Amino acid sequence: DTVLTQSPALAVSPGERVTISCRASESVSTLMHWYQQKPGQQPKLLIYKASNLASGVPARFSGSGSGTDFTFTIDPVEADDIATYYCHQSWNSPLTFGSGTKLEIK
Amino acid sequence: QVQLQQSGAELAKPGSSVKISCKASGYTFTSYYISWIKQTTGQGLEYIGYINTGSGGTNYNEKFKGKATLTVDKSSSTAFMQLSSLTPDDSAVYYCARGWGFAYWGQGTLVTVSS
Repeated sequence: DTVLTQSPALAVSPGERVTISCRASESVSTLMHWYQQKPGQQPKLLIYKASNLASGVPARFSGSGSGTDFTFTIDPVEADDIATYYCHQSWNSPLTFGSGTKLEIK
Repeated sequence: QVQLQQSGAELAKPGSSVKISCKASGYTFTSYYISWIKQTTGQGLEYIGYINTGSGGTNYNEKFKGKATLTVDKSSSTAFMQLSSLTPDDSAVYYCARGWGFAYWGQGTLVTVSS
């Protein structure tokens, strides 16, 4: 299975820029997607196919990468961005998810 | 608007089965696959498989073969997932999601397996 490795947690101050990385154990082309999940809620799609902003998602969120290395950026971070962020690949079967990066606000 | 409405929480005994539903609305049901995802604190998000809502064809993650069975009722725009031979390791929140790059998710169904 394709393993997606994310850093476990990050702490940032409102107004700062934060970048979350996701490294795949094998190429996933550009079929990498990013989700935000808040406690008690279902995941919400933010970025699809590596760099495309999902409908209704603020332009503060962005993504880039291809192959095995991907980044997700929030700039600027707002207090409401407290959540866990997951990367997810749909190139290789079975589809897999990263273990999540918990974003904390300083 | 697109909605995926899942059935309520389940409390099941080890060895039994549960069947979770995911009722779609706001779009043409047979135009998109429905996938199922398991979420636990320990294992995170795991992909179970998908069902082609038009043909009923299925594709399972090897890990969930024999555990999950995906079906669909086109007449009611509802997808189902049956989990069999339940063990405590099957306790989780289960989500349905539409298509690929899952733009739409159900609200989740908590399954608790306990004697």
